[in-house]
Amino acid sequence: AQSVTQLGSHVSVSEGALFLLRCNYSSSVPPYLFWYVQYPNQGLQLLLKYTTGATLVKGINGFEAEFKKSETSFHLTKPSAHMSDAAEYFCAVIGGSSNTGKLIFGQGTTLQVKP
Amino acid sequence: GAGVSQSPSNKVTEKGKDVELRCDPISGHTALYWYRQRLGQGLEFLIYFQGNSAPDKSGLPSDRFSAERTGESVSTLTIQRTQQEDSAVYLCASSSPGGEQFFGPGTRLTVL
Repeated sequence: AQSVTQLGSHVSVSEGALFLLRCNYSSSVPPYLFWYVQYPNQGLQLLLKYTTGATLVKGINGFEAEFKKSETSFHLTKPSAHMSDAAEYFCAVIGGSSNTGKLIFGQGTTLQVKP
Repeated sequence: GAGVSQSPSNKVTEKGKDVELRCDPISGHTALYWYRQRLGQGLEFLIYFQGNSAPDKSGLPSDRFSAERTGESVSTLTIQRTQQEDSAVYLCASSSPGGEQFFGPGTRLTVL
């Protein structure tokens, strides 16, 4: 069975600073990993995903994540925080033994950006 | 429409009442998913449709929850005899086979 753990339910960063949001996964099969962002009162938007191939994944708006199999991690980073990055971030893995594509989510991390 | 739409956006109901939540997926998307997001928690998978069949219902929390889908279009999630613990945001997503899931804005359900 797959599971996802996001360390840190709240992260605060200063505008312009680098930030990192942590995600560790558990999977008995090669994982497909995702990061989503959720702005207030909106649905989730995909930032980036890892399926196969290059382990450093680049997403929209300057976001990156690196798949590290040895650490079972998929941490999200951005070199310079903008005020508009304040949102909730979810890491997810495709779960289940069947090919349903259902996503297993972490608990989420709320990012606060201070001016 | 351009994206996944859900209605109503907000629903307040009394304990014991039945509610229906609607999802309109992106046209042409054969896969449809329902998730539940309780306050301060991540999303929990509820049910997956491929076309109008539901091969994975493993996330439905009880027999008070049911869902149906008409062809490869609208889906309805029904909660019977609502309880306070059903209060959550219910999110719908659709995708083409093996593709990215696109999420709707959700329905916020409050059970008094």
